[in-house]
Amino acid sequence: NAGVTQTPKFRILKIGQSMTLQCTQDMNHNYMYWYRQDPGMGLKLIYYSVGAGITDKGEVPNGYNVSRSTTEDFPLRLELAAPSQTSVYFCASSPLGDTTQYFGPGTRLLVL
Amino acid sequence: GQQLNQSPQSMFIQEGEDVSMNCTSSSIFNTWLWYKQDPGEGPVLLIALYKAGELTSNGRLTAQFGITRKDSFLNISASIPSDVGIYFCAGRGMTGGGADGLTFGKGTHLIIQP
Repeated sequence: NAGVTQTPKFRILKIGQSMTLQCTQDMNHNYMYWYRQDPGMGLKLIYYSVGAGITDKGEVPNGYNVSRSTTEDFPLRLELAAPSQTSVYFCASSPLGDTTQYFGPGTRLLVL
Repeated sequence: GQQLNQSPQSMFIQEGEDVSMNCTSSSIFNTWLWYKQDPGEGPVLLIALYKAGELTSNGRLTAQFGITRKDSFLNISASIPSDVGIYFCAGRGMTGGGADGLTFGKGTHLIIQP
């Protein structure tokens, strides 16, 4: 059972570089989410999507972009990496109308 | 935005002891969720609560949705070593229709001494 998968597991970026964090789910869930988790903190919502072609901002969207061209994939794009974006990024998905969110294993990002 | 206060921040207990942690909110929630996160992993759902006053168990875990809709607690009975981890409460407010994600507490770090 794959569930929610994320790649890469770990990445080091230089300030100003760009990268895409990949997220894929095989549960046919309409809702997908991106969170970031800073040390000693809970998760904060970056962006979410209620279905293919539809995305919206969460609590902390600045510096990020997303797209949702398919139900399965929800990539997160960092265009100009900054040290403040050093964090652990979690992707999650949930069925339509269900509050249970299933999380991926996370991507650890270090920006130097 | 909505705020969740989770306490305690950390707990050091002996194996076999019972554990209690709670979350309080500055606003009303219509759903409370409790997650556990192991090192290097994503959060895993333990218990979901959907009604004020609801009391739900999952094995040795019991959680309750507060009557005021502004709090929830999680109890773990007879702790064992595999209970070690970070426990997060999460809630969904009255708006958003379920699409706008969850608000998370900062977590309770549970450490068990054998």
